[in-house]
Amino acid sequence: QLLLQESGPGLVKPSETLSLTCTVSGGSVNSSNYYWAWIRQPPGKGLEWVGSIYYTGNTYYSPSLRGRVTLSVDTAKNHFSMKLDSLTAADTAVHYCARFGLAAAVPPDWGQGTVVTVSS
Amino acid sequence: VLTQSPGTLSLSPGARATLSCRASQSVSSDYLAWYQQKPGQAPRLLIYGASRRAAGIPDRFSGSGSGTDFTLTISSLEPEDSAVYYCQQHGSSFGGGTKVEIK
Repeated sequence: QLLLQESGPGLVKPSETLSLTCTVSGGSVNSSNYYWAWIRQPPGKGLEWVGSIYYTGNTYYSPSLRGRVTLSVDTAKNHFSMKLDSLTAADTAVHYCARFGLAAAVPPDWGQGTVVTVSS
Repeated sequence: VLTQSPGTLSLSPGARATLSCRASQSVSSDYLAWYQQKPGQAPRLLIYGASRRAAGIPDRFSGSGSGTDFTLTISSLEPEDSAVYYCQQHGSSFGGGTKVEIK
């Protein structure tokens, strides 16, 4: 059974860089059948797509975050990561990692999420 | 862009709930999902491929639609169905959500 576990600092300061990692167990990031994604949710707001990455390193970023966000994948450690630069309070959110299938009608899998607060 | 309506739905137990998700351009049904989210919890996958129920999801939940118009139907509301429901196009954006309240 696939398990996705987000990890990272719970508190970061404004203007700093956020680094999050999603550790994958029960599956491999080095798969041509899936892509890997980050999604976030500010307090009291809806879900926001951050970006996605394929095992080859190909990425897609949300237009609203492009230029500040970088995704990477580490096939040796079987995890993928997200970095978000120039943090502000508006980046405070629960961050989820997820796996989506490339084939038709494959159910997505999500992690439980990690809370990140941007505050001095 | 996915637009969900209504913003809030307030219904009695046993009622039928119909939630709409409209896309600004045609979306492949294979990649349309619905999630349920309760306060303090991660989203729970209900429907994928527009109409396929995820594992363990009661059959009172059903999805339908194609092209630009998709629907999530809850045939007979239970008190535990009180939640926010989101549609999503895989690899892309989410709708703004519909809050379902049970009277």
